[in-house]
Amino acid sequence: AQKVTQTQTSISVMEKTTVTMDCVYETQDSSYFLFWYKQTASGEIVFLIRQDSYKKENATVGHYSLNFQKPKSSIGLIITATQIEDSAVYFCAMRVGSALGRLHFGAGTQLIVIP
Amino acid sequence: EAAVTQSPRNKVTVTGGNVTLSCRQTNSHNYMYWYRQDTGHGLRLIHYSYGAGNLQIGDVPDGYKATRTTQEDFFLLLELASPSQTSLYFCASSDANSDYTFGSGTRLLVI
Repeated sequence: AQKVTQTQTSISVMEKTTVTMDCVYETQDSSYFLFWYKQTASGEIVFLIRQDSYKKENATVGHYSLNFQKPKSSIGLIITATQIEDSAVYFCAMRVGSALGRLHFGAGTQLIVIP
Repeated sequence: EAAVTQSPRNKVTVTGGNVTLSCRQTNSHNYMYWYRQDTGHGLRLIHYSYGAGNLQIGDVPDGYKATRTTQEDFFLLLELASPSQTSLYFCASSDANSDYTFGSGTRLLVI
């Protein structure tokens, strides 16, 4: 069975600092894909960044990067130089190679960026 | 612009009522999904589809039916709505290995 766990319910950080949001996953599949999504206050959900299990290099997109620790089944999202507009709920998700399409989501972490 | 459009945005119905939530995607994606979002649970998969006429059961299917009439259109049906189905519903589309494109959500209140 597949499972994604985000233990941090809410995090508050000062603007312009760096924050890491944790995510651990469980799967028996050797091939899997990890995603992070952002849900804004309006409810809109947008894709941020992904990591494929076979890639050793951590993915980076803009001021988002990932800390992929495969032996620990961990995929942390790092946001550098946080901005007020980064305040949102962040979801970690996983797709396994044997089940194309569907994603398994974590419960989400609310990020509050304080000016 | 490729998109996922949900309707209605908000819906109020009575217990035992009949509700249909609609979703249309213009992404030419094969996969479509219905999720519900509740505080503390994140996004939970109700039903999904690989293509027109195909239906797959998700993790929380009880009380819901779905129908994929075309590649573009995916419907979620609540035939006997209950207060426990009060939630925020999201539709999404994807290819087999791509990220999701989400709709804007439908807020359903069952009173």
